[in-house]
Amino acid sequence: AQSVAQPEDQVNVAEGNPLTVKCTYSVSGNPYLFWYVQYPNRGLQFLLKYITGDNLVKGSYGFEAEFNKSQTSFHLKKPSALVSDSALYFCAVRGTNAGNNRKLIWGLGTSLAVNP
Amino acid sequence: NAGVTQTPKFRILKIGQSMTLQCTQDMNHNYMYWYRQDPGMGLKLIYYSVGAGITDKGEVPNGYNVSRSTTEDFPLRLELAAPSQTSVYFCASSLVQTNTEAFFGQGTRLTVV
Repeated sequence: AQSVAQPEDQVNVAEGNPLTVKCTYSVSGNPYLFWYVQYPNRGLQFLLKYITGDNLVKGSYGFEAEFNKSQTSFHLKKPSALVSDSALYFCAVRGTNAGNNRKLIWGLGTSLAVNP
Repeated sequence: NAGVTQTPKFRILKIGQSMTLQCTQDMNHNYMYWYRQDPGMGLKLIYYSVGAGITDKGEVPNGYNVSRSTTEDFPLRLELAAPSQTSVYFCASSLVQTNTEAFFGQGTRLTVV
């Protein structure tokens, strides 16, 4: 069965420090991986995706994510956190085999709090 | 650019009432989705559509119905509202290709009392 795990419900980091939000996945075939951010009372916004190629993907607002096939992980990172990065972050995966590639599988979300 | 537009933003329903959540997109996306978001539960897929005239059930379809008569519109119908349907509902759309990202509406916060 396909699944996505975000092992931390909440991550706290001081402003200016690096941040990591973790995501691991299980999917048949090669994965397409996505990160989204949700600010309070807003819809989800796309941050970045891994489809193929370079394992380090750069996205919006200075975020990046590293695809690690052997560890089936796609952790979201940022070198220097901002208070405005405080939000809910979702990881999602879609498989590439016929029959499992129509729907995104979502993690439960990680709440990021950046403290001034 | 409008993107994905949902109406209404907020609604309070009494048990047993019905309503339609509207969703429209102007990006000519073939794929459209309805999700519900409950605290600590992430996103649950209610229904999705891969094109006009084609819909399919997601993880939690009971109590809901959808239609897709045009590429642009994908309304979600609640026939007999129940307190368990209190949630935030998001509509989303994406291109046909599986490697493209989804675009989300702003959400509808529904309370059933």
